[in-house]
Amino acid sequence: DTEVTQTPKHLVMGMTNKKSLKCEQHMGHRAMYWYKQKAKKPPELMFVYSYEKLSINESVPSRFSPECPNSSLLNLHLHALQPEDSALYLCASSGRGGQSYGYTFGSGTRLTVV
Amino acid sequence: AQSVTQLDSHVSVSEGTPVLLRCNYSSSYSPSLFWYVQHPNKGLQLLLKYTSAATLVKGINGFEAEFKKSETSFHLTKPSAHMSDAAEYFCVVFLGSSGTYKYIFGTGTRLKVLA
Repeated sequence: DTEVTQTPKHLVMGMTNKKSLKCEQHMGHRAMYWYKQKAKKPPELMFVYSYEKLSINESVPSRFSPECPNSSLLNLHLHALQPEDSALYLCASSGRGGQSYGYTFGSGTRLTVV
Repeated sequence: AQSVTQLDSHVSVSEGTPVLLRCNYSSSYSPSLFWYVQHPNKGLQLLLKYTSAATLVKGINGFEAEFKKSETSFHLTKPSAHMSDAAEYFCVVFLGSSGTYKYIFGTGTRLKVLA
């Protein structure tokens, strides 16, 4: 298995809703990442998990809450989002060679906040 | 400080003609450099990577890139464009120093392939 799987592919949520994005990989990668990508822009790093511990939080608002229950799974919990949070959310992982050997990205979750 | 500059925001080529997407980097030491491709509403796919081995790097789908330290460049090329190459391309440098490890993305180049 050489893929990062993200679910759901599309999500529409109201500003008062609570929802979660899920990311899964079975490549034995020990680093996992959440990125946010607005239209026509490069991805922006949100969080980095290394060996299931949060190692980088790029000053992301608390309405985004990451979780890494095990080495294969990464969640992003969403609560009280704003319309400007609408974006493509990408998950990625990197392997034993480290980040210098490249990431594997999932196909993303297209989030719309109404 | 490390950074990466993609010199063209849009490139248009005719099908069957060569592709050149330009990328310059700034780094205080030998960098790790990557090209990723993103088709509409999709995730990013690694095309190729330079990690201080051979300076001419071959990737998937006929793409290649040459690391030129003297010019601080890592341009992406393909001899003959195909319609399926139409996508957004990102040049990326890996920042790994002083306990900080992350990618620095270029602003992207949108490749249009004309029939």
